[in-house]
Amino acid sequence: GDSVTQMEGPVTLSEEAFLTINCTYTATGYPSLFWYVQYPGEGLQLLLKATKADDKGSNKGFEATYRKETTSFHLEKGSVQVSDSAVYFCALSGDDKIIFGKGTRLHILP
Amino acid sequence: DAGVIQSPRHEVTEMGQEVTLRCKPISGHDYLFWYRQTMMRGLELLIYFNNNVPIDDSGMPEDRFSAKMPNASFSTLKIQPSEPRDSAVYFCASRPQGLLNTEAFFGQGTRLTVV
Repeated sequence: GDSVTQMEGPVTLSEEAFLTINCTYTATGYPSLFWYVQYPGEGLQLLLKATKADDKGSNKGFEATYRKETTSFHLEKGSVQVSDSAVYFCALSGDDKIIFGKGTRLHILP
Repeated sequence: DAGVIQSPRHEVTEMGQEVTLRCKPISGHDYLFWYRQTMMRGLELLIYFNNNVPIDDSGMPEDRFSAKMPNASFSTLKIQPSEPRDSAVYFCASRPQGLLNTEAFFGQGTRLTVV
């Protein structure tokens, strides 16, 4: 069945560092891909998405490119802030349900 | 729209008691999902509905768990009897039908503690 694998956390970085969180997927067909973010005590909210190969999703300085050849959707940000500390989930939409990775906790130190 | 609304936000109950979690999806959304989040297992899909009909309940852990969607604006997840290992954050999410590239919208979650 469809699945998502993302890098284990926690990831700890200093403010203004470069961020990469790896995500790979297994799916039949042509899924849409998502990154969600969860701040402490809150639900998940969409950060960005891409619906077809080579699409780049972007939001709040975060980017991810849908790579069909490597079945990947890695999340990147050039300069992280303390306010980016949260849990990040990679997800895919196959038929009608959305499958999530286990999440990666990110800590940004001032 | 107020978004997906879940109640209660926090629930503390004793082992053996019945627990009912509630969800109001976004108006017009045809899909409703129930997820459970724990440190050990991450975010698990328990069950989802399409147009009020349960489509896949293979993620429901045991017969103690049941979910209903009596109408398009309300769903419940019930645990009877509850056990300490049911302690988790339970999320409800909804999604419109028709476009598979649309995201799911999540509620704030219900933090359940069974003592």
